[in-house]
Amino acid sequence: NAGVTQTPKFQVLKTGQSMTLQCAQDMNHNSMYWYRQDPGMGLRLIYYSASEGTTDKGEVPNGYNVSRLNKREFSLRLESAAPSQTSVYFCASSGQPGQGFGAYEQYFGPGTRLTVT
Amino acid sequence: AQSVAQPEDQVNVAEGNPLTVKCTYSVSGNPYLFWYVQYPNRGLQFLLKYITGDNLVKGSYGFEAEFNKSQTSFHLKKPSALVSDSALYFCAVRAPLGGYQKVTFGIGTKLQVIP
Repeated sequence: NAGVTQTPKFQVLKTGQSMTLQCAQDMNHNSMYWYRQDPGMGLRLIYYSASEGTTDKGEVPNGYNVSRLNKREFSLRLESAAPSQTSVYFCASSGQPGQGFGAYEQYFGPGTRLTVT
Repeated sequence: AQSVAQPEDQVNVAEGNPLTVKCTYSVSGNPYLFWYVQYPNRGLQFLLKYITGDNLVKGSYGFEAEFNKSQTSFHLKKPSALVSDSALYFCAVRAPLGGYQKVTFGIGTKLQVIP
């Protein structure tokens, strides 16, 4: 049981390049999230997927797109990277009330440290 | 709009002493409240939650938190701090309405346990 996995762990991009961050969970959770973490700003929600087949914008969606490929996988794409997107990106998942494990709280992956030069 | 305040950027405590990390919140209705811990270069790790019931909740690694509705607080506590407790701690709140409900995180409090 690996929980939430993310790839890659580190990435350096030049301004204008594109990339996709991958996330997968093996806890049969319905909901998945993408956050960015910046010093002094806590975690900010980029996009979320309440269930397979649905995605919605969070607080800071500009410059990003997402795909909920299936119940397990939720990817984040940067189409044209900018220095302002330098950050640490976390994927998380949570279940539903009555599901038991992870019904309310979120479980996080190890993060992707992205630098855009 | 919901919000979380962690008034201390950093808390220093001597090993073996009790520790408290403060959190206050604002949300419509009865809140769901959470504490997470983040060790360096790692993801956030769930510690404990308050959903309903007993105001004192116990979680992982000997941590506990007390929900105080009148003071809208959910302070994290541990009777005896360990050096290994040194980390970044996040409080979070969610409104318990139907469907997806946004989780709001505080900006974090760095706990330093001094040997």
